[in-house]
Amino acid sequence: DSGVTQTPKHLITATGQRVTLRCSPRSGDLSVYWYQQSLDQGLQFLIQYYNGEERAKGNILERFSAQQFPDLHSELNLSSLELGDSALYFCASSVSGTRVGVTDTQYFGPGTRLTVL
Amino acid sequence: AQSVTQLGSHVSVSEGALVLLRCNYSSSVPPYLFWYVQYPNQGLQLLLKYTTGATLVKGINGFEAEFKKSETSFHLTKPSAHMSDAAEYFCAVFSGGSNYKLTFGKGTLLTVNP
Repeated sequence: DSGVTQTPKHLITATGQRVTLRCSPRSGDLSVYWYQQSLDQGLQFLIQYYNGEERAKGNILERFSAQQFPDLHSELNLSSLELGDSALYFCASSVSGTRVGVTDTQYFGPGTRLTVL
Repeated sequence: AQSVTQLGSHVSVSEGALVLLRCNYSSSVPPYLFWYVQYPNQGLQLLLKYTTGATLVKGINGFEAEFKKSETSFHLTKPSAHMSDAAEYFCAVFSGGSNYKLTFGKGTLLTVNP
């Protein structure tokens, strides 16, 4: 158990809908990262938040957004869903995530499996 | 831009045999390199990482990897495979810069035969 929790575990929805995925980082970790894992694209970095502020952006679509709240939990919002958005979405956390802390270990949650029908 | 290539999407070994999973990276600056393992229906778990210093890195579960700058490689090895090693393994690189992210390879599925 990495200490990172993600809810829900599974999510089935229809095209055009909007969903919210939730992540609680390990106690004491300030950085949260979101990743998408699909058969087509493999494991891709989406976005990073550090202590409530967006720190880095990866291959995140404009239909997707995220935020990190004062209690450090994070939510990933996916809207206007398409079939191709079906994937496993992982959240990871690390202590720092700053340039100095780049070598911080990222601890991954169990993921949320999103199925868009 | 950094990239990672894992040679072989599927590797099959017998129990007790040597495990060798190959990873080559591309980076314009000295990289930080990682191996993660993903067991079925679970998240990723860090096996080992190279940042600076000793090029032979030992990780959990008997795995180790050697950073070879001249070959731009970071291959993962384990002398003797165990059934419990069956999983998917991902190599990742971080090379700093303004876009702060880990870039992962496509993964290698390791099967261990009895």
